Amino acid sequence: DTGVSQDPRHKITKRGQNVTFRCDPISEHNRLYWYRQTLGQGPEFLTYFQNEAQLEKSRLLSDRFSAERPKGSFSTLEIQRTEQGDSAMYLCASSPPLAGYNEQFFGPGTRLTVL
Amino acid sequence: AQTVTQSQPEMSVQEAETVTLSCTYDTSESDYYLFWYKQPPSRQMILVIRQEAYKQQNATENRFSVNFQKAAKSFSLKISDSQLGDAAMYFCAYRSFLVSSGGGADGLTFGKGTHLIIQP
Repeated sequence: DTGVSQDPRHKITKRGQNVTFRCDPISEHNRLYWYRQTLGQGPEFLTYFQNEAQLEKSRLLSDRFSAERPKGSFSTLEIQRTEQGDSAMYLCASSPPLAGYNEQFFGPGTRLTVL
Repeated sequence: AQTVTQSQPEMSVQEAETVTLSCTYDTSESDYYLFWYKQPPSRQMILVIRQEAYKQQNATENRFSVNFQKAAKSFSLKISDSQLGDAAMYFCAYRSFLVSSGGGADGLTFGKGTHLIIQP
């Protein structure tokens, strides 16, 4: 499978716990994006990386959220001290080196439920 | 900041009929990209069709076509000969063209989506 993969697909946690999600982009895609999608809404942009550099962060990304892409390949998104409002689908997408419209390819998402 | 509005939370169409999904957006930029993404139930989002704002010709991909009205900031999706496999959430999305020039935000701005139901 050469698509974007995310792990885990589902995560249930208790309020106050820390969680970490992983995203593996399509090979040779140097740009990687994180989005959050709550029920009944479209995805909302959180942050993106070009190689290992985090170039943009949305104001939605509070200080409890941190994302890394240490070697420019896979990325992790960590949420500290989870809150019930963090319950959502977390989507990862990747795109190839900038050329034209630069399609973003999405992974299946990680569904987080905070109890 | 750009905004994308999809005013139809749900649409229903008979199989083999044609349906049009609406999308409007707000931006101060003159060049940008617009997209329609499809998100089937429990499956990942895939790109259906894209439009570059500097192109006057409406994009077409097989049964999918768009009606791009730049002055009205409108970008509707027409699905012809609807099939059961078209049932999904459809999201309209905007992306700044400035990214291609080395500046601007690279994230997509999505609408809230339209749930398309295909009646057999």
